[in-house]
Amino acid sequence: QVQLQESGPGLVKPSETLSLTCAVSTYSISNGYFWGWIRQSPGKGLEWIGSISHTGRTYYNPSLKTRVTLSVDTSKNQFSLKLSLMTAADTAVYYCARVMVGVYFDYWGQGTLVTVSS
Amino acid sequence: EIVMTQSPATLSVSPGERATLSCRASQSVSSNLAWYQQKPGQAPRLLISGASTRATGIPARFSGSGSGTEFTLTISSLQSEDFAVYYCQQYHNWPPFTFGPGTKVDIK
Repeated sequence: QVQLQESGPGLVKPSETLSLTCAVSTYSISNGYFWGWIRQSPGKGLEWIGSISHTGRTYYNPSLKTRVTLSVDTSKNQFSLKLSLMTAADTAVYYCARVMVGVYFDYWGQGTLVTVSS
Repeated sequence: EIVMTQSPATLSVSPGERATLSCRASQSVSSNLAWYQQKPGQAPRLLISGASTRATGIPARFSGSGSGTEFTLTISSLQSEDFAVYYCQQYHNWPPFTFGPGTKVDIK
């Protein structure tokens, strides 16, 4: 059973950059797989943000590509999301997940609510 | 981008009855489709991949079928723990992966 846990601020001001980290336990990121971020808001449902491999190869949602940066730290067994120029439309629950065969999500974190407000 | 739609938006079913949920893709996704279950306050849970392959630990009452643009998730005999929202996701043509808007299965 792979366990994932998101951490980061619950409140971000408009125009600021969101930084979230996903700590993975009971599985070493170095062993493989892609690792992804998905968000869920009432207005847009589930939205894939991007995925990163254990070697740092990335894929991003084209709609967010200009604002998203994913990174991986195998020494800490975690991966991270940065989303810049936050607006109210980015208010959502953000999930991290393991990406099975690079394309669907078999283990998820519990999610963290991020609200964008001044 | 492939757009996923799901119907109905809400399905009211009595415990023990059969539930049939539909997912449609705006273009063919072959069998590259997954289903997830989400309960309130929880993360989605993978049920099915490859349109019809149950994930580890998923009960046999859950079955998936279809290919191309039309897919079905069937719950053969609804248990109390099955009342939830169900989402489909295509992974045929990406980026991006795209999800349907969900079908809520509630108690009749």
